[in-house]
Amino acid sequence: DAKTTQPPSMDCAEGRAANLPCNHSTISGNEYVYWYRQIHSQGPQYIIHGLKNNETNEMASLIITEDRKSSTLILPHATLRDTAVYYCIAKTYSGAGSYQLTFGKGTKLSVIP
Amino acid sequence: ETGVTQSPTHLIKTRGQQVTLRCSSQSGHNTVSWYQQALGQGPQFIFQYYREEENGRGNFPPRFSGLQFPNYSSELNVNALELDDSALYLCASSLGQGAGETQYFGPGTRLLVL
Repeated sequence: DAKTTQPPSMDCAEGRAANLPCNHSTISGNEYVYWYRQIHSQGPQYIIHGLKNNETNEMASLIITEDRKSSTLILPHATLRDTAVYYCIAKTYSGAGSYQLTFGKGTKLSVIP
Repeated sequence: ETGVTQSPTHLIKTRGQQVTLRCSSQSGHNTVSWYQQALGQGPQFIFQYYREEENGRGNFPPRFSGLQFPNYSSELNVNALELDDSALYLCASSLGQGAGETQYFGPGTRLLVL
């Protein structure tokens, strides 16, 4: 089962920042939080990931609370092309040294002109 | 640099048949993971291959099997197809199997079982 919960849908005005929340209160200390997005049933696109510290790359910023129970993905200036399903994922141990992405239902982000 | 590629893009099979799906990993990546995504759902982990060995498996029956080749490309085989096997099958490659290694996904193969 997914260790993350997200709102099913959100709207954001074009040009504004999109802030997508994620709760992961049962995540363990060595489990990374990953964000992916998926557009029209294409393959999921990697956005960003983090363990304890806040992270930023050319696509987005990831803010993780100090207790690691929740995080927020920030798209600084949303465009229409950012309309997608966004998945917040805890990468969990699946045995024999391997780790898997356990997807939940994600948040459907609609960017509105 | 070539990303993850998958073939075929679409496939139609009938119940009881067998299917093989193929995945070429991103250059330098030695780990391949396979996921199944039913319509309207998030992807579900099937299994992972690292250096030609299966080293992690989700809640899928043995009729789902795979291979990884010396060049790190991979196959997913599904025997005795059932209607519920209709889904988008995704493979993802990564530099390694560690928790902090990012998995990069291919475009997927859409399988329809009639």
